[in-house]
Amino acid sequence: DIVMTQTPLSLSVAIGQSASISCKSSQSLKYSDGKTYLNWVFQSPGQSPKRLIYQVSKLDSGVPDRFSGTGSETDFTLKISRVEAEDLGVYYCCQGSYSPYTFGAGTKLELK
Amino acid sequence: EVQLVESGGGLVQPGASLKLSCVASGFTFSDYWMSWVRQTPGKTMEWIGDIKYDGSYTNYAPSLKNRFTISRDNAKSTLYLQMSNVRSEDTATYYCTRDYDGTPLAYWGQGTLVTVSS
Repeated sequence: DIVMTQTPLSLSVAIGQSASISCKSSQSLKYSDGKTYLNWVFQSPGQSPKRLIYQVSKLDSGVPDRFSGTGSETDFTLKISRVEAEDLGVYYCCQGSYSPYTFGAGTKLELK
Repeated sequence: EVQLVESGGGLVQPGASLKLSCVASGFTFSDYWMSWVRQTPGKTMEWIGDIKYDGSYTNYAPSLKNRFTISRDNAKSTLYLQMSNVRSEDTATYYCTRDYDGTPLAYWGQGTLVTVSS
């Protein structure tokens, strides 16, 4: 199975600051079709998860453009510019390139 | 609006069987791959498996393949997860998800909690 390693596991930010989360995979996530199926999933406290970003950098419908995803092969980053209170919760990276799909351990974004 | 509503969770004894359901609405169910994901009490996420839009193909996490079965009834817009010989480590919230444009996990239900305990 592909191992997804997220850092940091916890991140304290002030409202209005930016935040960055790293995700590294144990092997390249570039699939045979040339696409890279790296997703970012967010879970606010007490809520079900919600996908924010797919294929490394594509924002799901309704996701604010203060969220951005970058990366390739094995190294990926989620950046949130100008953090808002509604952004607090846990962020997971998840690879959907190779079965079984696997998740990172999650990064908890908290208020400083 | 896409809606996925899971049900069937609850307290179950070790070794028992349980069948979860996920009723879909707001889209043409038979057009989409669907999958199940679970989240442990410690918040670890685990992909269980998925099923092709017409039910002709399923794919599972190897560690769960022998005990879990995914199926669907497109006439009822319902996804199922049959769990057998459950163990304490199967205690988790189970989510059904739908793909979008060939990419997984685009939409999630609210989840159903399964607790395995004697």
